[in-house]
Amino acid sequence: DTGVSQNPRHKITKRGQNVTFRCDPISEHNRLYWYRQTLGQGPEFLTYFQNEAQLEKSRLLSDRFSAERPKGSFSTLEIQRTEQGDSAMYLCASSFAGTVGTEAFFGQGTRLTVV
Amino acid sequence: RKEVEQDPGPFNVPEGATVAFNCTYSNSASQSFFWYRQDCRKEPKLLMSVYSSGNEDGRFTAQLNRASQYISLLIRDSKLSDSATYLCVVTSHNAGNMLTFGGGTRLMVKP
Repeated sequence: DTGVSQNPRHKITKRGQNVTFRCDPISEHNRLYWYRQTLGQGPEFLTYFQNEAQLEKSRLLSDRFSAERPKGSFSTLEIQRTEQGDSAMYLCASSFAGTVGTEAFFGQGTRLTVV
Repeated sequence: RKEVEQDPGPFNVPEGATVAFNCTYSNSASQSFFWYRQDCRKEPKLLMSVYSSGNEDGRFTAQLNRASQYISLLIRDSKLSDSATYLCVVTSHNAGNMLTFGGGTRLMVKP
């Protein structure tokens, strides 16, 4: 499967615990995005990387959230001291920043439930 | 005001109908435009890119109006399988090239 892969698909955690999600982008893609989506809303931008550099971070991304892409390939998103309001679908997408379009392709997401 | 706005719907239409969605964007420097489709509890999937000259893919037609800052999606001969949420997406060079999503328009096609 050469698409975007996210793990785990589902995560249930207790409030206050830390969680980490992983995203493996399409191999030739140099851009990687993280989004959060709640029911009935469109995806909200969290952060994005071009290669290993984190170029943009949303104001939504509090200091409890951190993302890395250490070798410009896979990325991790960590949420520390989870709160019930963090319950959402976390989507990763990748694209190739070239001269022809910037279509992004999404993984199946990680659904986080904080209890 | 949201950067990308869509009517959330739902649009309830019978099979075979023609339905159109609009999406407005606020950043005049926006450069790339897309429609994505999202099925319930699934990830968004690219439906089509939107080009300045407009483009068509089978029953789907997308148009861009830069002067009025809106894009549209027309679906002809609606099928039951077209039922989904349609997300308008915009990228802007002066906003870091991130994808900015509208809230989505829900379409329900009924027999």
